[in-house]
Amino acid sequence: GAGVSQTPSNKVTEKGKYVELRCDPISGHTALYWYRQSLGQGPEFLIYFQGTGAADDSGLPNDRFFAVRPEGSVSTLKIQRTERGDSAVYLCASSYSGTQTGELFFGEGSRLTVL
Amino acid sequence: SQKIEQNSEALNIQEGKTATLTCNYTNYSPAYLQWYRQDPGRGPVFLLLIRENEKEKRKERLKVTFDTTLKQSLFHITASQPADSATYLCALDYGSSNTGKLIFGQGTTLQVKP
Repeated sequence: GAGVSQTPSNKVTEKGKYVELRCDPISGHTALYWYRQSLGQGPEFLIYFQGTGAADDSGLPNDRFFAVRPEGSVSTLKIQRTERGDSAVYLCASSYSGTQTGELFFGEGSRLTVL
Repeated sequence: SQKIEQNSEALNIQEGKTATLTCNYTNYSPAYLQWYRQDPGRGPVFLLLIRENEKEKRKERLKVTFDTTLKQSLFHITASQPADSATYLCALDYGSSNTGKLIFGQGTTLQVKP
């Protein structure tokens, strides 16, 4: 597709459940980012991939959060034992090279609600 | 750590006027600064990038300034239109890292009234 695609667009789950959020970046973009956005706030960095490897995961809040990008394209953000505080919009973005000059191309986000 | 402050109060202006949004940062000067637009329920969309050695950047009705002494960027929309109504996010690089990852402000909501 032409843009960054994220699925599902909405996910409602119960506390304690496991959740997977998928991101399909723009073809040819080697850098991929996950951000989290709470209501009324700006996006908060979670993790950055350059190719298949996680180059920087310093934003992941705790070990319940994990992300993979096994073939250097599609990425999955995995959240174990979800908590109500995990409720937010999870945004994926990609860019050409991940260098200082790169603008980020965002998807529409996956809205996660933990009941 | 770097902190970014954008006016959390919504900015309401009349159509045709110039909107000016402010982004202040508190720590190191970033190598570059970006502005994004975000509509409700949508992802942010890139608008402009300005580097630390640039004072001003323009794109159509948009103008961004970057003052490293004041640690401030101003974002202007001239001849504003109702379609410009959205939330505008300021974003900075993380300083020493060269990953392209950004830290975002909380955004300022602009409402342009016809």
